[in-house]
Amino acid sequence: SQQGEEDPQALSIQEGENATMNCSYKTSINNLQWYRQNSGRGLVHLILIRSNEREKHSGRLRVTLDTSKKSSSLLITASRAADTASYFCATVGGATNKLIFGTGTLLAVQP
Amino acid sequence: DVKVTQSSRYLVKRTGEKVFLECVQDMDHENMFWYRQDPGLGLRLIYFSYDVKMKEKGDIPEGYSVSREKKERFSLILESASTNQTSMYLCASRIFRTSGSYRNYNEQFFGPGTRLTVL
Repeated sequence: SQQGEEDPQALSIQEGENATMNCSYKTSINNLQWYRQNSGRGLVHLILIRSNEREKHSGRLRVTLDTSKKSSSLLITASRAADTASYFCATVGGATNKLIFGTGTLLAVQP
Repeated sequence: DVKVTQSSRYLVKRTGEKVFLECVQDMDHENMFWYRQDPGLGLRLIYFSYDVKMKEKGDIPEGYSVSREKKERFSLILESASTNQTSMYLCASRIFRTSGSYRNYNEQFFGPGTRLTVL
């Protein structure tokens, strides 16, 4: 069962621009995590935001969480060609501690 | 750095074969997971294990079984492979901590994936 839906499904920007991806989910959560996946590879954890946090930063990444709207956004500032990848949000919460993934946003950064 | 390795990057098997996918992690993590990833469906949890000799069904366990005899190793078994099991298989591990009554569900560390084709 998928918890999250991401928007947009695909995003193409120029190097140096900012990229924003959004994630909506359905049930209460313990935390929300963002992962990156380069083509045909495993996932790499980027950042985790807990349900009692509203914003978190890590390098060029900024994540916000609005539990009242059940939504999160990931902002990548000053994007680089190397940021080209799929980005997934994933939530932990409810009756289990499983990580439930959204369907992902495919980001293409043009050099 | 945590390292999660999977036994094969690419695997081709025939319908009806028994298939073993191995996953090993080197950071003494308690929890381990098997997912499959398909276009348009995202990542779906097949099985997970809280600790040695423990296993729990995920969202799509049918046609699969698992084994966790040692803490560092989590095996996924396709008892009789079928063409609809052609997919990318991803293994992950996670440390499990509690702070009093609060459980920390931290990040998962993923292996590179095994792309399985069943002919």
